[in-house]
Amino acid sequence: NAGVTQTPKFQVLKTGQSMTLQCAQDMNHEYMSWYRQDPGMGLRLIHYSVGAGITDQGEVPNGYNVSRSTTEDFPLRLLSAAPSQTSVYFCASSYSSPGQYIEKLFFGSGTQLSVL
Amino acid sequence: AQRVTQPEKLLSVFKGAPVELKCNYSYSGSPELFWYVQYSRQRLQLLLRHISRESIKGFTADLNKGETSFHLKKPFAQEEDSAMYYCALNDAGGTSYGKLTFGQGTILTVHP
Repeated sequence: NAGVTQTPKFQVLKTGQSMTLQCAQDMNHEYMSWYRQDPGMGLRLIHYSVGAGITDQGEVPNGYNVSRSTTEDFPLRLLSAAPSQTSVYFCASSYSSPGQYIEKLFFGSGTQLSVL
Repeated sequence: AQRVTQPEKLLSVFKGAPVELKCNYSYSGSPELFWYVQYSRQRLQLLLRHISRESIKGFTADLNKGETSFHLKKPFAQEEDSAMYYCALNDAGGTSYGKLTFGQGTILTVHP
């Protein structure tokens, strides 16, 4: 199993450009989420999904869109990139079992994004 | 709103010395707390969770509801413990659905 795969690993954008960060998992996990990592701020939740077709906002959703058409994929779209979106982005997946919950998040390797 | 605070951005110790990474939280309910670790060139991964009351790689963490703390401790630090450590909180009272509140992170450096 590859686990959680993120592409690209690095990206440089100009202000106003749009792009999609890809995230795919091959573990059949129900839950997927996107975090951004900024110095001094820790990880902050952008959007999350509890299953195909179901998404919701996290703490810092402005400027980002998500969709979940399949269990495996959870892309993050930057609509019009701004310098404030310069960050490292992490995708994560997790699952629960009947009668118990498993709270271990499986993270991707991250995408380092710079917006000039 | 729930909040996780890690007061130390950087922490340096020598090999063999005890180490304690501090984590304080604010949450009115029954929290579930975790420590995640990111070693150099590796992915962020779960280190331990309070509900399991486990010791991983010599690290332990006790939930102190009175002091609202979940400090991570190891009696004898090793160089391979050098990493970024994040304290995280699930306030959902059950399955978090992948939504955790993370602290700011502490970079631990263990010197030889």
